[in-house]
Amino acid sequence: AQSVAQPEDQVNVAEGNPLTVKCTYSVSGNPYLFWYVQYPNRGLQFLLKYITGDNLVKGSYGFEAEFNKSQTSFHLKKPSALVSDSALYFCAPGGNTDKLIFGTGTRLQVFP
Amino acid sequence: NAGVTQTPKFQVLKTGQSMTLQCAQDMNHEYMSWYRQDPGMGLRLIHYSVGAGITDQGEVPNGYNVSRSTTEDFPLRLLSAAPSQTSVYFCASTRDGQGPPPSGNTIYFGEGSWLTVV
Repeated sequence: AQSVAQPEDQVNVAEGNPLTVKCTYSVSGNPYLFWYVQYPNRGLQFLLKYITGDNLVKGSYGFEAEFNKSQTSFHLKKPSALVSDSALYFCAPGGNTDKLIFGTGTRLQVFP
Repeated sequence: NAGVTQTPKFQVLKTGQSMTLQCAQDMNHEYMSWYRQDPGMGLRLIHYSVGAGITDQGEVPNGYNVSRSTTEDFPLRLLSAAPSQTSVYFCASTRDGQGPPPSGNTIYFGEGSWLTVV
């Protein structure tokens, strides 16, 4: 069975500081990994994904994620956080499964 | 581009009533699914479909029915609403690549349907 874990319910960071939202995964075979963001009262939006190739994946709004096979992690990062980055972030595995499962998400709060 | 369209956006139901949440996508996606989102629970998969005429259960299917008569539409039916079904519901779709879905394809979500059962 494929799964992801987001160990932090909430991450707080000051505007301008770097941010990291953690995700670890458990998948069989080659992993496909995604990050989605949900702004208040909206649906989820795609941020970035890892399929193959470079371990550092760049996505929308200045976000990037680093795939680490040995640590089975896919942490989301941004060098300088903005207040407008405050949202709920979901990590999700893709791959050969009919059932797309999401984690519980991590709430990012960026303070001015 | 319309993407994934859900209706209604807000609905209040009385216990025991039935209703249908509509979902339509205009991207010719094979794979469609319904999730519910509850505080502290993340997104939980209710039902999904890998193509017209094919549906299957997700993590929390009880109390819900689905059908997939066309590629575009994937309605979710609440047969007899219960307060425990108060939630935000999201429909999603993705392109089915070759082989088992959905592989590395991006998922597209609707804007959500807020349902309250009193």
